[in-house]
Amino acid sequence: KAGVTQTPRYLIKTRGQQVTLSCSPISGHRSVSWYQQTPGQGLQFLFEYFSETQRNKGNFPGRFSGRQFSNSRSEMNVSTLELGDSALYLCASSLERLAGAYEQYFGPGTRLTVT
Amino acid sequence: AQTVTQSQPEMSVQEAETVTLSCTYDTSENNYYLFWYKQPPSRQMILVIRQEAYKQQNATENRFSVNFQKAAKSFSLKISDSQLGDTAMYFCAFEGPNTGNQFYFGTGTSLTVIP
Repeated sequence: KAGVTQTPRYLIKTRGQQVTLSCSPISGHRSVSWYQQTPGQGLQFLFEYFSETQRNKGNFPGRFSGRQFSNSRSEMNVSTLELGDSALYLCASSLERLAGAYEQYFGPGTRLTVT
Repeated sequence: AQTVTQSQPEMSVQEAETVTLSCTYDTSENNYYLFWYKQPPSRQMILVIRQEAYKQQNATENRFSVNFQKAAKSFSLKISDSQLGDTAMYFCAFEGPNTGNQFYFGTGTSLTVIP
């Protein structure tokens, strides 16, 4: 079974631009979560989507948004990029938890550099 | 919000030796889930081990085991017979019962296995 894929793997943008990152979950996984990873703040939760609906959102400004399609693929968008948005953006997919915990499977990440 | 603390930013261990990574967390929940993830230099996050809070027995996965102390809110990872491939960042993560697949991560411990 193919793992979580993220595209692009690397991206360089200029302040003020916007960017869209893509994530394809493992087949059968309907939950997709996004995290921002930086050396200073560590891993921070952005949002989670399930069946095309945002179920949970972290403490990020409205410049960060996302969506999920009917095939469970997800995109996140960052508008008006700032230097501080430079980070590794990780996508994770999981099964819906009915009982017990389902671990999250992470993609390789998209390295975004804002200049 | 839940908090997860990893107080050891860096650790090293000789090959074939045993090392223990510490993690503490703060929560008012009674039922929750704890995970250890490994992030090798290639950046793909991989699940190492997981523990359900309602289970008293400590989880074990081959050379990896945990010491789960619910009352103390402690969740340490023990790696036995350390191998060079264990060199990575290790993240402790918490998932509550109603957090919609949102994980709270510690800041990580960078482990180096010395040949």
